[in-house]
Amino acid sequence: GAVVSQHPSWVICKSGTSVKIECRSLDFQATTMFWYRQFPKQSLMLMATSNEGSKATYEQGVEKDKFLINHASLTLSTLTVTSAHPEDSSFYICSAEAGGGSNYGYTFGSGTRLTVV
Amino acid sequence: DAKTTQPPSMDCAEGRAANLPCNHSTISGNEYVYWYRQIHSQGPQYIIHGLKNNETNEMASLIITEDRKSSTLILPHATLRDTAVYYCIASSGYALNFGKGTSLLVTP
Repeated sequence: GAVVSQHPSWVICKSGTSVKIECRSLDFQATTMFWYRQFPKQSLMLMATSNEGSKATYEQGVEKDKFLINHASLTLSTLTVTSAHPEDSSFYICSAEAGGGSNYGYTFGSGTRLTVV
Repeated sequence: DAKTTQPPSMDCAEGRAANLPCNHSTISGNEYVYWYRQIHSQGPQYIIHGLKNNETNEMASLIITEDRKSSTLILPHATLRDTAVYYCIASSGYALNFGKGTSLLVTP
């Protein structure tokens, strides 16, 4: 149980275009999902917290107008990187908590490798 | 969340127990200790978590000292597939903040 599906697993886009990444909880409802970014040889950095039905909460230094988050249902959160540039190339990972006393802690998606050319 | 400190790297022979230490001396009473691992280019995988009692599951054992200032993750019989970065995180139940972790190399 407690599976989080993330798509796409990798994407290459041209500079200036937008890219949408989907994060779905497959067998549980997730009121809250989290988005992380990981640069090569670095640890995961929390970008934002996605709350179903309300605005996302962004960490300091993360541009909310550039990284648009939508959490329209209890099983889906999306991250859109707008006007992507090469410096946005990174590994993006989402996570969710199964909650309800789950023994699975926080479950993570498999990640999305974004390359902006 | 309390800061955690882990050795940057460790080696372990295949078939032997891997003992990964973590220091969390400023942990507060409502913070759990979580362990995750990340194999290259994949999302983190949940291993185990605990509050103050030792925990065991099919993957590993978690030993938390009585004062809760440190813990040890034990992989009882390490295999080559256990080579990964292991993260110890103290959290009261909101977002997990990852440190640098321990890069574990299991050798034949």
